Amino acid sequence: GENVEQHPSTLSVQEGDSAVIKCTYSDSASNYFPWYKQELGKGPQLIIDIRSNVGEKKDQRIAVTLNKTAKHFSLHITETQPEDSAVYFCAASQNSNSGYALNFGKGTSLLVTP
Amino acid sequence: EAGVAQSPRYKIIEKRQSVAFWCNPISGHATLYWYQQILGQGPKLLIQFQNNGVVDDSQLPKDRFSAERLKGVDSTLKIQPAKLEDSAVYLCASSFTNTIYFGEGSWLTVV
Repeated sequence: GENVEQHPSTLSVQEGDSAVIKCTYSDSASNYFPWYKQELGKGPQLIIDIRSNVGEKKDQRIAVTLNKTAKHFSLHITETQPEDSAVYFCAASQNSNSGYALNFGKGTSLLVTP
Repeated sequence: EAGVAQSPRYKIIEKRQSVAFWCNPISGHATLYWYQQILGQGPKLLIQFQNNGVVDDSQLPKDRFSAERLKGVDSTLKIQPAKLEDSAVYLCASSFTNTIYFGEGSWLTVV
């Protein structure tokens, strides 16, 4: 099955700096790569996703890059703010007629200090 | 648009007791998922439904876990008997096409 590795497990940055989280996946058939943000006591919330037919996607301060050859993808957050502090999860899955069953990384705890 | 609803939010039970969690997905979402999230880890898929049929339950511990989705809408996840290692957050999620939406989760503590 699919194995998703995520690094680092913890990340501390100062407000205004950039944060980068990296993930690798094992199954070359995976073609959908979402990123979720989870705040304490809440469920994961989708923040951005990318499909295998594109190499980069950006949404305001958040961007994701995908390298299919190397089987890795990364989340980039620019101009970080204290409210970006949370646990971030990457995931990978294959598209199927029955939907996407996500395989998650172990998460990165991001702390943005003022 | 209402999100994925789950109940109860919190439950504390003794080992060997039973517990049931309920999920109401977003209206119109044919696919429903139950994930288990142990503290400090990413969510792990337990079971996936497409309408009221099971698509994938390969990681569901069937000797103690069961799930159903009657009429292709609401779903229940049951654990009987519970073990200490079942302490986790149980997340329900649903999707129509590509985007998967999660509920707030049901926190289970087994003592």
